[in-house]
Amino acid sequence: EDQVTQSPEALRLQEGESSSLNCSYTVSGLRGLFWYRQDPGKGPEFLFTLYSAGEEKEKERLKATLTKKESFLHITAPKPEDSATYLCAVQAGGFGNEKLTFGTGTRLTIIP
Amino acid sequence: ETGVTQTPRHLVMGMTNKKSLKCEQHLGHNAMYWYKQSAKKPLELMFVYSLEERVENNSVPSRFSPECPNSSHLFLHLHTLQPEDSALYLCASSQDFRGYGYTFGSGTRLTVV
Repeated sequence: EDQVTQSPEALRLQEGESSSLNCSYTVSGLRGLFWYRQDPGKGPEFLFTLYSAGEEKEKERLKATLTKKESFLHITAPKPEDSATYLCAVQAGGFGNEKLTFGTGTRLTIIP
Repeated sequence: ETGVTQTPRHLVMGMTNKKSLKCEQHLGHNAMYWYKQSAKKPLELMFVYSLEERVENNSVPSRFSPECPNSSHLFLHLHTLQPEDSALYLCASSQDFRGYGYTFGSGTRLTVV
């Protein structure tokens, strides 16, 4: 069974204090690893897809990386508007398997 | 607005009530999904529709009944729910089942009393 574990569960940072969120996974045949951002009262918003170990993607202050066992979401010099819950999900198996398996998320708070 | 609209945003219902959740997308996507999000738990896939046909039912109790009349609309019919069914119900759509194409709605916050 596919498993996704995110850590830490919650993280409080001062504005400008860089850090990383972790997503470790156990799957058979990874097709893609996805990062989403979720604000309170809203649905998840797509950030990145990573397909193979060594791949990196960047968007503003966020950078996602992927190894064979885990992914990191690096946040550089965060601002209060980066406060949100960050979700990691994996898609595995052959074509036709539509399921995304999600982690429980990391709730990030950036203090001004 | 993400392009996926869910109504109502909030719903309170008794255990003997019957209600429906509605989801609408105009992104041209050909797959639609229902997910359940409970506190401290990962998002749980409930149903998947591709081109209006159900392709996956993730062992969901029969008190949840999905309907997809066309590629733009998805419903979740609810009846005889239990308090533990209280959660945020999210609708999503995608093109060709690729995760990067998942667009989520804002969800319906359901409370069963």
